Amino acid sequence: GAGVSQSPRYKVAKRGQDVALRCDPISGHVSLFWYQQALGQGPEFLTYFQNEAQLDKSGLPSDRFFAERPEGSVSTLKIQRTQQEDSAVYLCASSLVSSGGASNEQFFGPGTRLTVL
Amino acid sequence: QQQVKQSPQSLIVQKGGISIINCAYENTAFDYFPWYQQFPGKGPALLIAIRPDVSEKKEGRFTISFNKSAKQFSLHIMDSQPGDSATYFCAANPNYSGNTGKLIFGQGTTLQVKP
Repeated sequence: GAGVSQSPRYKVAKRGQDVALRCDPISGHVSLFWYQQALGQGPEFLTYFQNEAQLDKSGLPSDRFFAERPEGSVSTLKIQRTQQEDSAVYLCASSLVSSGGASNEQFFGPGTRLTVL
Repeated sequence: QQQVKQSPQSLIVQKGGISIINCAYENTAFDYFPWYQQFPGKGPALLIAIRPDVSEKKEGRFTISFNKSAKQFSLHIMDSQPGDSATYFCAANPNYSGNTGKLIFGQGTTLQVKP
């Protein structure tokens, strides 16, 4: 079946531009996560949605980062006034259930590589 | 705050050998420990996972060993193959009220298996 898809796969932005990154989770998955992966590092949590509700945004690095999932399926991560330090791969993951633990297998998309010049 | 520490950063193993990657955590409120495998240009994919009430879990050539008292866990890849060459991440899921299931990842280990 279809996995998690993300678009665009690559995005180059000039410093100060706004960008929008899209995530299409696996159909029926309740939970949706965004992670940021810097070069050579592990993914770092940004934000979490349970259906359309954003329940945890503790990992968003600044108020320039904004995420939404208005209908409980597709999600968009928006970064305003991009800075060079925003350059990273942005990963989206979805899981079937809304709780943690062993039932929480997260399925990751291929990521969007953002380069800010 | 780094809560999961992974070592080594890189590893080179001969085909047929055993690859061992180690992780240590600081927060005792973790209750799920998955390992993810990532190939270049791809997202991480779940390889194997363990809960803290089990000391070992084996799936094919992959084994997780878990030491709760030492707060350490490791991934063993038996009979390593060139196709196993990838980056491996350990992770942990916090267990507290309102837990959303977010994962805390280690820094990653790049494994190269030489033919």
